Amino acid sequence: GAVVSQHPSRVICKSGTSVKIECRSLDFQATTMFWYRQFPKQSLMLMATSNEGSKATYEQGVEKDKFLINHASLTLSTLTVTSAHPEDSSFYICSARIAGGRADTQYFGPGTRLTVL
Amino acid sequence: GENVEQHPSTLSVQEGDSAVIKCTYSDSASNYFPWYKQELGKGPQLIIDIRSNVGEKKDQRIAVTLNKTAKHFSLHITETQPEDSAVYFCAAANAGGTSYGKLTFGQGTILTVHP
Repeated sequence: GAVVSQHPSRVICKSGTSVKIECRSLDFQATTMFWYRQFPKQSLMLMATSNEGSKATYEQGVEKDKFLINHASLTLSTLTVTSAHPEDSSFYICSARIAGGRADTQYFGPGTRLTVL
Repeated sequence: GENVEQHPSTLSVQEGDSAVIKCTYSDSASNYFPWYKQELGKGPQLIIDIRSNVGEKKDQRIAVTLNKTAKHFSLHITETQPEDSAVYFCAAANAGGTSYGKLTFGQGTILTVHP
């Protein structure tokens, strides 16, 4: 149980275009989802916390107008990278917390590799 | 905010040996300490976690210890196997309050187990 999926697994786009990444909890409902970014050989850095039905909370230094997050249902959160540039190339990972479950345990998705040309 | 330091950055062992990875944290309010294994090109996988009400937890070849006073916790892997080779991350979180249980990750340890 507690499976999180991401789509697509990898995407290549041209500079200036927008890319949407989906994060789904497959067998549970998630009131809270998290979005992380991981550059090569580095750790995971939290970008934002997404709560179902409300605005996302962004970490310091993360541009909310560039990284649009929508958490419209209890099983789906989306991250849209708007006007992507080569420096946005990274591994984007989401995680989800079970609604009504422990407030600490997060289940991670497999990640999305974004390459901006 | 929370700061998590992880050592060593790389660890190389022979198959069958034990491996130990250590982390320290700064926020005394943190009460949840998970460890994740990440294979190349994949998302992190939770392998074990410990909460602040216990000092040690074991799951087969994997164990975690927590010293709240010193603010450090460690991952112990015994009888290592080549398939244990991966990047391991520790993390810390405060499950209560307004932080929504946000995880702060350590820098990661590249573990290589030689056959």
